[in-house]
Amino acid sequence: KAGVTQTPRYLIKTRGQQVTLSCSPISGHRSVSWYQQTPGQGLQFLFEYFSETQRNKGNFPGRFSGRQFSNSRSEMNVSTLELGDSALYLCASSISGQSTDTQYFGPGTRLTVL
Amino acid sequence: AQSVAQPEDQVNVAEGNPLTVKCTYSVSGNPYLFWYVQYPNRGLQFLLKYITGDNLVKGSYGFEAEFNKSQTSFHLKKPSALVSDSALYFCAVRAFDQAGTALIFGKGTTLSVSS
Repeated sequence: KAGVTQTPRYLIKTRGQQVTLSCSPISGHRSVSWYQQTPGQGLQFLFEYFSETQRNKGNFPGRFSGRQFSNSRSEMNVSTLELGDSALYLCASSISGQSTDTQYFGPGTRLTVL
Repeated sequence: AQSVAQPEDQVNVAEGNPLTVKCTYSVSGNPYLFWYVQYPNRGLQFLLKYITGDNLVKGSYGFEAEFNKSQTSFHLKKPSALVSDSALYFCAVRAFDQAGTALIFGKGTTLSVSS
């Protein structure tokens, strides 16, 4: 079974631009979560989607948003990019969104903001 | 508030020796605990988890972890380290009464195994 896929793998943007990242979960998984990884802050939870609904949100500004489609694929969007948004963005999927579920991570999208 | 601490930024061990990567947690209520490993330029790979039951959990690649409720710890162990185990290890926690699947991660511990 194919794992979690994320596209693109690398992105370079300039301040003020916006960006959209895509995540395809493992087939049959209905929950998708997004995390930001930076050297300074480590791994931080952004948001979780289940059945096209945002179920949980981390402590990030409104510039960070996401959505989930009926096929469970998810996108996250960052508007008005800042230098501090440079990070590895990781997507994870789980089968049913239960708190005991294992989350399986994709390879990430490396975003560089210049 | 939930939190995870990995007290060692780096652990160095010789190949063939046992290894331990430490993790302590703080949650209100019973915890669900996870270990992940990250290789350079890769996402996180799941190693093992503790939900309930036996305090010794066995996982992938010969790793195991021991849940200790009184010490609020969940240390990762392996009897004999391999050079290929060198990577960044993350401990994560989720409270059992928390809705959704958001994980709280520790800062990570770099494991270096020398030949």
